[in-house]
Amino acid sequence: GESVGLHLPTLSVQEGDNSIINCAYSNSASDYFIWYKQESGKGPQFIIDIRSNMDKRQGQRVTVLLNKTVKHLSLQIAATQPGDSAVYFCAENMRGFQKLVFGTGTRLLVSP
Amino acid sequence: EAQVTQNPRYLITVTGKKLTVTCSQNMNHEYMSWYRQDPGLGLRQIYYSMNVEVTDKGDVPEGYKVSRKEKRNFPLILESPSPNQTSLYFCASSLSISPVSGANVLTFGAGSRLTVL
Repeated sequence: GESVGLHLPTLSVQEGDNSIINCAYSNSASDYFIWYKQESGKGPQFIIDIRSNMDKRQGQRVTVLLNKTVKHLSLQIAATQPGDSAVYFCAENMRGFQKLVFGTGTRLLVSP
Repeated sequence: EAQVTQNPRYLITVTGKKLTVTCSQNMNHEYMSWYRQDPGLGLRQIYYSMNVEVTDKGDVPEGYKVSRKEKRNFPLILESPSPNQTSLYFCASSLSISPVSGANVLTFGAGSRLTVL
C-alpha cells in the first residue's frame, strides 16, 4: 500500500546549524501535510502544517517545503538548539479519508 | 489546561487478561483516535471516532475494541491481550479531521506503555 516514508532515520547536527529533515510520500491524493515533534516520554506535538496548494510555509524557526512534483516534504529548522532533539514525524491526510498516515520518524540529535 | 489524558501510563499484564486504556479530552473535540507506536513502524491508527456513537476501524484494528458513549471519552479495550499487542499507545483528538475546516490538528496524550507477557 501507499505510505509515508523518511530518507534518514537519524540526523546529527551541531548546535546553531540548520537542520533539514526529509519525507517522501507516495499518495498523490494527499492534500494536507503535518510535521510533529516527539520528545522522549511524550506524545507527538504539532509543529507546522501545509496544504497541497502551497509550496512553502514558515513558522518560528521552522519552514516546511512541499514539492508535489516529486512528492517530497521537508522540515527546515534554523539555528538548531539542544531542545530540538527529538523524533520528527511527517504525516499526510488523503483527501476524503478521515485519518492521518504517519511516517516512521527521523531522530534529530543536536550536540552542543 | 487543554489536554488529552490517558490512563494507565504504564501497564504490565498477562496474555488473556482483559484490560482497558482510558482516554479523556477536555477540549470538546469531535474526532478522537487511537494509535500504536512500534519501533521502525511509526504511528499506526487502530480505531477512530468522528463523534459520539460513531467509530470506525483504522489500519490495525484486530484485537481491539473501542466505544464512544460520551464526547470526551474514548476507551481502548483489549478483550484478550496477546504479546504482539505490547506497544506504546497514544490517544489523540481534534476538533475535526477535515483539512477544509482548518481545525484538524491532532492533540496527543502522553502515551500508555503496555507490556503483555
